[in-house]
Amino acid sequence: AQTVTQSQPEMSVQEAETVTLSCTYDTSENNYYLFWYKQPPSRQMILVIRQEAYKQQNATENRFSVNFQKAAKSFSLKISDSQLGDTAMYFCAFMYTGTASKLTFGTGTRLQVTL
Amino acid sequence: DTEVTQTPKHLVMGMTNKKSLKCEQHMGHRAMYWYKQKAKKPPELMFVYSYEKLSINESVPSRFSPECPNSSLLNLHLHALQPEDSALYLCASSGRSPGPATGELFFGEGSRLTVL
Repeated sequence: AQTVTQSQPEMSVQEAETVTLSCTYDTSENNYYLFWYKQPPSRQMILVIRQEAYKQQNATENRFSVNFQKAAKSFSLKISDSQLGDTAMYFCAFMYTGTASKLTFGTGTRLQVTL
Repeated sequence: DTEVTQTPKHLVMGMTNKKSLKCEQHMGHRAMYWYKQKAKKPPELMFVYSYEKLSINESVPSRFSPECPNSSLLNLHLHALQPEDSALYLCASSGRSPGPATGELFFGEGSRLTVL
């Protein structure tokens, strides 16, 4: 079974600065997706960014980018120009390819953006 | 329409009550999920439906009973719950139809359940 590890329970960053959240995972499979989800206090889980394992190029979505190291099974999230609205719980998640596969979450990193 | 709608948003019930949580999506998704989330913890998978059939049951107690009446609707029937079942229950859907699955799950806002 796959496992997802987030070693940083809490992080803090000042507005406009850059922060990197870490994630590692363990799997013996070759085809899978990796995700970063954001859950603000409003509680809705929102997709931040997605990476397909077969793609070598790192995914980017505006201020959010990932560093995907397949061999090392590492998938970190970089948030540039942090904004107060980025304050949330961030979950790294793993899913095998397929229609109804399990999405397995890491334990989460609580990010606080300060003035 | 990219929404997953969950009702009710809040539910308080006694241990002898029977209630249901409802989830609806109109994105043509083929898979629907129930997750349970305790405070400051990640969501934990409960059930997965694929093409209206139960495909994954994560050894959930029988006091939780899922139902998928059609491809757009997912229910979670609750009976004889315990106080430790109090949590946020998240519904999600995935798998665009037609076309290849992208893997992404779309989540609802959740139903906050309190069992007294």
